[in-house]
Formats: sequence, structure tokens, C-alpha cells
Amino acid sequence: AQTIHQWPVAEIKAVGSPLSLGCTIKGKSSPNLYWYWQATGGTLQQLFYSITVGQVESVVQLNLSASRPKDDQFILSTEKLLLSHSGFYLCAWTQAANTEVFFGKGTRLTVV
Amino acid sequence: QQQVRQSPQSLTVWEGETAILNCSYEDSTFNYFPWYQQFPGEGPALLISISSVSDKKEDGRFTIFFNKREKKLSLHITDSQPGDSATYFCAASASSGSWQLIFGSGTQLTVMP
Repeated sequence: AQTIHQWPVAEIKAVGSPLSLGCTIKGKSSPNLYWYWQATGGTLQQLFYSITVGQVESVVQLNLSASRPKDDQFILSTEKLLLSHSGFYLCAWTQAANTEVFFGKGTRLTVV
Repeated sequence: QQQVRQSPQSLTVWEGETAILNCSYEDSTFNYFPWYQQFPGEGPALLISISSVSDKKEDGRFTIFFNKREKKLSLHITDSQPGDSATYFCAASASSGSWQLIFGSGTQLTVMP
């Protein structure tokens, strides 16, 4: 069975500090990977997607970057956090476009 | 530009009633419409989905009705249970070469016992 693990579970960071969030997918080779952001009480906004190792496509510009260093790993990062980065970050995977999206348990980020 | 709209923003029903959640979209290339259920503090999970070639999809107490001409769909939850209390998101995507899934703003459903 496939499992998706996100870390950390929660973070409280200062404005201007760096950030790195991680995601690992186990039990599935060559998954399509995604990062989503959700404001409190808000909708889900797709940030990045990756079809293969080393290739990441940006969907929206939020002063964030993503990388896929391994087939099963997806990293979201920034060098300088903004207050507007606060929210719930979700990693997800699919087998193909227009198939079920499987979400991780998310990371709750609070920027102060 | 809000491509997927949901209404109502919140909905309260009594246990045993039918909850009706509405969704509409603008992009005529959208042809895949999943509904996701999200409980507080958790990631969303797929509840049921429909493609544009169908006008109805049923799975237990959950049914999607789809009107392609009007670009509208609805999720009906029959015999609502308190455990159904969650936020429901309608989403949409197009098949050709698109890896984007556009989510609506969600409907927060509360089922009173």
C-alpha cells in the first residue's frame, strides 16, 4: 500500500526566516507529485507539480520553490518567509492526470 | 478568476435529511469533476467523481448530478449522518495535458443529530 508522509507536522517561524517542508511517497514508483496550499477556512490552491525527478512546474507565484531530488521525495522551500505564507501545506500524488489525488496529512505553518 | 464556484458556503441539515451541495464552472474544457471531503486538521480525501460523459454518478448515499449544458453539478447526500459533518470541495480539471486540479471554495456541512 502507498503511504505519504509529510514533515514537520507543524511549524512556527518568524517572518524573513527560511523554510523547508518535506514529503515522501512510499510504495509507488514514479508518482506525479503536487504541493497545495490552503488558507484557514479556504480553498486548496495548487502550487507546484512534478511528473519526474528533477522537473518541477510552478502553478502560482508565491515566493516559494519546490524540488524533487528523488523519485519519492518532494521538497517545498523558501529563503524568506512572509506573513502570507501561513496556512496548511499539503503534499499529494496521483498515478496520472484526472485520477484520484491522494493527500498527505499536511503541515500547519504559522508565520509570526 | 474563480473558475469553480460552490454554494452554499455553509449548510446545516438534520440527521436523516438530504444535503444538496452545488457547484458550477466556467471552463468548457473541464471534463473531470471530483468531490473531496475534508475533516478539520486533515488532508482532503476523494469522496466521489464524475466525468463529463455522464449525467449521474451514485455511490451509496452520495450522488453527483451533472448538467453539462448549464455547467453545473450537485452533490446529494441522502440520509445524512453526524459523521458526514465536514467541508466538501468540488474540483475540476481538463484532460488534455493539464495537471491542474481547480478547487472550489468549499461547503461546510453540519449534520445535527
